Formats: sequence, C-alpha cells, structure tokens
Amino acid sequence: DTEVTQTPKHLVMGMTNKKSLKCEQHMGHRAMYWYKQKAKKPPELMFVYSYEKLSINESVPSRFSPECPNSSLLNLHLHALQPEDSALYLCASSLIIAGVNTGELFFGEGSRLTVL
Amino acid sequence: RKEVEQDPGPFNVPEGATVAFNCTYSNSASQSFFWYRQDCRKEPKLLMSVYSSGNEDGRFTAQLNRASQYISLLIRDSKLSDSATYLCVVNMKRRVTGTYKYIFGTGTRLKVLA
Repeated sequence: DTEVTQTPKHLVMGMTNKKSLKCEQHMGHRAMYWYKQKAKKPPELMFVYSYEKLSINESVPSRFSPECPNSSLLNLHLHALQPEDSALYLCASSLIIAGVNTGELFFGEGSRLTVL
Repeated sequence: RKEVEQDPGPFNVPEGATVAFNCTYSNSASQSFFWYRQDCRKEPKLLMSVYSSGNEDGRFTAQLNRASQYISLLIRDSKLSDSATYLCVVNMKRRVTGTYKYIFGTGTRLKVLA
C-alpha cells in the first residue's frame, strides 16, 4: 500500500470550475512534488516544495496553484482549466538530507482529472 | 539532447527470456539513480535503486556506469507479470540553480509473451 495518499482518485470538472487535489504523507519527508502524466508519456514535473517552501516551478500556467499548508500536506488548486489539462496528477515525496532532495520518490496513486 | 534517454520499445519477449534495458543521462553531476516500474493507469513504483557497485534483487540486476553516463537493468527468466513500462529516473543537479531534480526517461515498454 502506498504511503502517500491522494484524493480524489477521479475528478471531472468543467472549464469554469474551481477544484483542489489533495496529497498527504506521514513519512516525515520534507520534499513534496506534483507531477502531471499524460497517456504513454513519463511523469512531467510541475512543482517541488522543500521544507514547505516552493523551490521549483516548471513554468506551469497560473491556472494551477500549489499550496503546502504543513509538512504533511500538499494541495493543487485548479481553476479555469482546459481540456488539454486532462491527465493523471501524481503527488510524490522524498527525504531531504544535507539540503539535497534525495532517496527514492514515493508516489501516491494519482488523481485522474478530466476537464470537459 | 534529452537529459535522460531510454529506448521506448516495445520489447516483446517470450517467457523465460533475458532482457536488458539501457538509459543514458547527460549531466555528470547526477547524484542518484533508480528504476521504476509503472503498470497501465497506475502510479510508478520503485523497482530498484542503482548503486555504483551494481546491485541485484532476485531476477533483476542494475548497473551504473558513471564514466559513460548510463544505467542498465537486466531481467532474467522473464515472467508474464513483468509486463509493464520501466522508467529510468536520475536525480540530477541543475546547473543554474544548484537544486536537484528527478528527471524521468521516456520509459521502455516490456511485454512478456506466453
């Protein structure tokens, strides 16, 4: 069983809706990540939080807004999405040792998003 | 040139065959290396970390060649259940910012046939 929990597992939304994806881990990992994955493609990094601060934003459109309220939680707020944003959104976490994100990435099961 | 490159396959092999995948990376300042397995419509799961001395876990053997900047995965005695996409992941230091980032290869699809 994965130790990273994502909700919801499935989400269908219209282009004018506002919704949020949630991710939680209790492994004490201080690095958390959002990835986007389209069919038959590898996961594509969107955001990285290190010690609850945004450390990497891979030029993601502002209709995706990440939030890290505490060391266990990571949210992705969605607003005015486009149909091409339909994908599997994966949350992951890892250790930070000596200031370096390191060790394996632990993934949640993902939230499958469909934008109509 | 992509930062991490893999042959996308598909590799179609009979049960019991030995199959090898390679992955090359572009940045010599790479810290750690992994093979992940991803089943259709599921999340990636760690198969093995890859260490400089090489490492083995049952039918799976991983090797790292830092001089040539590639990693490999060998699967012996393939099972039907090994059918999946195998993703090479490199934790790589970004030249400009000095931060580390996990970069995924495109993945190699394996189908083991009965």
